[in-house]
Amino acid sequence: DAGVTQSPTHLIKTRGQQVTLRCSPKSGHDTVSWYQQALGQGPQFIFQYYEEEERQRGNFPDRFSGHQFPNYSSELNVNALLLGDSALYLCASSKGQGTYEQYFGPGTRLTVT
Amino acid sequence: AQTVTQSQPEMSVQEAETVTLSCTYDTSESDYYLFWYKQPPSRQMILVIRQEAYKQQNATENRFSVNFQKAAKSFSLKISDSQLGDAAMYFCAYRSAKGYWGNYQLIWGAGTKLIIKP
Repeated sequence: DAGVTQSPTHLIKTRGQQVTLRCSPKSGHDTVSWYQQALGQGPQFIFQYYEEEERQRGNFPDRFSGHQFPNYSSELNVNALLLGDSALYLCASSKGQGTYEQYFGPGTRLTVT
Repeated sequence: AQTVTQSQPEMSVQEAETVTLSCTYDTSESDYYLFWYKQPPSRQMILVIRQEAYKQQNATENRFSVNFQKAAKSFSLKISDSQLGDAAMYFCAYRSAKGYWGNYQLIWGAGTKLIIKP
């Protein structure tokens, strides 16, 4: 049973560029959440997707956008990258509305120079 | 708004001994979930244990147990018989139990780094 997968594992971008991160949920899961984890801190909620719609959003600017595909996989897009966007980006999946148990992927380490 | 506080940036324990990690939270809600997650150097967040606020009995998973004090808004994690593989960052997290979209995010503490001394 495949768990949550994320790609790429890490990447380096320059300020002002755009980046796309990808997530495939655990088999049988239909809800995907994205978190940003800065170095030495706990994760911060970015947004959550269910049925291809953004259902909830944390306190992140519009530069952060996402998408969910019919196969439940998801993308996180960040435009006009800032140095402060350097972080570990975690994807978590769950089944159905309100399920409390989320399964996490290994994350994508983004470095902005 | 709910907040989660972990006041111990780092803890160390001798292998085979017991250690307790602290977590406090603030909420006006009466129904919620609390979690402890482990994040080893591999970065993947792993659920260690969860507690439903409506349950008075403290959750236990093998060597891991919690001390849930609802009135004090305290949720500590006890690790018994510590093993080298327990070394990791430990995060406490909160989630509302109210069942509607817009309420399913996890709210996290800053984490505690657990060091196991051989």
